[in-house]
Amino acid sequence: DVKVTQSSRYLVKRTGEKVFLECVQDMDHENMFWYRQDPGLGLRLIYFSYDVKMKEKGDIPEGYSVSREKKERFSLILESASTNQTSMYLCASSLIVGSSGNTIYFGEGSWLTVV
Amino acid sequence: AQSVTQPDIHITVSEGASLELRCNYSYGATPYLFWYVQSPGQGLQLLLKYFSGDTLVQGIKGFEAEFKRSQSSFNLRKPSVHWSDAAEYFCALNRDDKIIFGKGTRLHILP
Repeated sequence: DVKVTQSSRYLVKRTGEKVFLECVQDMDHENMFWYRQDPGLGLRLIYFSYDVKMKEKGDIPEGYSVSREKKERFSLILESASTNQTSMYLCASSLIVGSSGNTIYFGEGSWLTVV
Repeated sequence: AQSVTQPDIHITVSEGASLELRCNYSYGATPYLFWYVQSPGQGLQLLLKYFSGDTLVQGIKGFEAEFKRSQSSFNLRKPSVHWSDAAEYFCALNRDDKIIFGKGTRLHILP
């Protein structure tokens, strides 16, 4: 089975702190994603990476950056956390770009509270 | 623009009753469509997916969905729900290898 692991399930950070959310997948997937989930808004794509060191902005990239130095690891960075970034963050992975029918697999989510 | 709409925010059904969750999409080409389920505090699990071929798709946990191009719909159905089906359900569309989600439908089950 594909496993997508988000190392931190629950975090509480202060406004202005730099926050790192880490995600690791074990199936050699090229694609990795970060979504944000808020009540009534569903899942919104923050960033997408289709290869090491490659990234694309999603629908809501403002206030976030990402890093993909190794194929299995995709990090979401909040340079200066703000209270409106309190949310559930979901990491996901899938097979290569061009395989549009491929399934996307999710981690269990990271609950971030910014105070 | 490509989008997914789930018209119902909440649905309540009695245990043992049939279920239909609605999903409408907007996409220029043939879409790749998915239904995911999320239990409280958990990530998303794939229920089923449609890529091409037979428009009636069978999934896990007794769910099925029917793709209707003429109605731009991909509704999820189950003939008899169980209390364990209480969860949030998301319809999704593949757009250039990025998955776009609807806002979700929360399913409540009455005993």
